[in-house]
Amino acid sequence: SAVISQKPSRDICQRGTSLTIQCQVDSQVTMMFWYRQQPGQSLTLIATANQGSEATYESGFVIDKFPISRPNLTFSTLTVSNMSPEDSSIYLCSVVGGERVQYFGPGTRLTVT
Amino acid sequence: GEDVEQSLFLSVREGDSSVINCTYTDSSSTYLYWYKQEPGAGLQLLTYIFSNMDMKQDQRLTVLLNKKDKHLSLRIADTQTGDSAIYFCAESMERTGANNLFFGTGTRLTVIP
Repeated sequence: SAVISQKPSRDICQRGTSLTIQCQVDSQVTMMFWYRQQPGQSLTLIATANQGSEATYESGFVIDKFPISRPNLTFSTLTVSNMSPEDSSIYLCSVVGGERVQYFGPGTRLTVT
Repeated sequence: GEDVEQSLFLSVREGDSSVINCTYTDSSSTYLYWYKQEPGAGLQLLTYIFSNMDMKQDQRLTVLLNKKDKHLSLRIADTQTGDSAIYFCAESMERTGANNLFFGTGTRLTVIP
């Protein structure tokens, strides 16, 4: 299995600001994803982070709000832009390991005031 | 469409067995997963099963898959207080790309000492 770390683990941000979340994997992986988990809810896929090209966004998520970078096969960032209280969530990155099984990072808990 | 359902809560006494159930609607599921989320933490992959299997056992965990009824269950033998967490089932489907996971609502397991 892959070892995944995320920074920061949690943050409290003011409305209108932006936060960049980092995801680091201990091995090279092809597939990397970003999910959102709103309070008391299940997980929703935001986008697939593609190395060397633009991310692929799911319905309801746009690049202007959630820009993603994937500079290499071990690292990705997700930015939550122009935040509002509705963006308060846990943001998780995941990677596909052996046997096409998906592993998750510890998550970043974001609170927007 | 992709619709994964779970009951929201389950309480068991320490030492008893827990059975967490999940139903899904898409018959083209390729992989089915169980993840555990402890308070304030990310998702931990517990186990997974390929859609061409009907049972998988891993120490205290037993996964049963009934493809005809589209029903997945996770049995935890000798449940311990450390098993208290939210358990998510998830499915991936070939037609959407096997890396796109669809999650259930999660079942909050409470173990009573």
